[in-house]
Amino acid sequence: DSGVTQTPKHLITATGQRVTLRCSPRSGDLSVYWYQQSLDQGLQFLIQYYNGEERAKGNILERFSAQQFPDLHSELNLSSLELGDSALYFCASSVVALGEQFFGPGTRLTVL
Amino acid sequence: KNEVEQSPQNLTAQEGEFITINCSYSVGISALHWLQQHPGGGIVSLFMLSSGKKKHGRLIATINIQEKHSSLHITASHPRDSAVYICAATLNTGTASKLTFGTGTRLQVTL
Repeated sequence: DSGVTQTPKHLITATGQRVTLRCSPRSGDLSVYWYQQSLDQGLQFLIQYYNGEERAKGNILERFSAQQFPDLHSELNLSSLELGDSALYFCASSVVALGEQFFGPGTRLTVL
Repeated sequence: KNEVEQSPQNLTAQEGEFITINCSYSVGISALHWLQQHPGGGIVSLFMLSSGKKKHGRLIATINIQEKHSSLHITASHPRDSAVYICAATLNTGTASKLTFGTGTRLQVTL
C-alpha cells in the first residue's frame, strides 16, 4: 500500500458525459501527478500540481482539467467523454517536486 | 523516436535465472525510475536513481549517465517477479517533474 488513495476504482459512463476522479496523496506529500494509461498509448503524463499550484503540463486534452485543493487532495475532471478516453488513470504523489513518486491504485474508466 | 526506449519488450525466464532489462534515453534527465506493474494494474516504484547503482533485495538498478543507459537486474528470479517493468525518466525541465515512460518489458518467470 503506497498510501495514495484514488476513488472510484471503477467508473463506467457514456460518451459525452463528465466525470471526476479523486486522489488523496500520502500524508506530507505536496506534489500530485496525474497519468493516463491506455492500451495503445501506454503511460502518459497529464499534469502535476505542487502545493496547490500547477507545476507541469503534459499531454492533457483541453476537455480535461485538474486542481489541487488546500488539503492537498486533487481532482481530475474529464468532460465530453469519448470512447478513446477509456483508460486507467493513475495519481501519484511525492514529498517534493522532484522526488520519488508513489502511485495510487488507479481508476479504471470505461466510456461506452 | 521515443525519448525513453526499453528492451526487450517481452522476456520469458525460468525460475532462478538472472534477468536484465535495459533502458536508454536520448535527452537530459534529472533521474531515472524503474517501476513495476502487476497484472492487477497497480504500479510500484522500485528505484529512483541519478547515478551509480542501487540494490533492494534481489533487484539491482544501475545507471550510466555518460552513455544515457540504465539496467534493471533481477537475481534468482521467481514466478512472483512476473510483471511489467517500466523505465521512466524525469526530464530536465527546471522545477517540473514530469515522467516520460518507456513502453515496458513484460516479464514472465516460469517454474
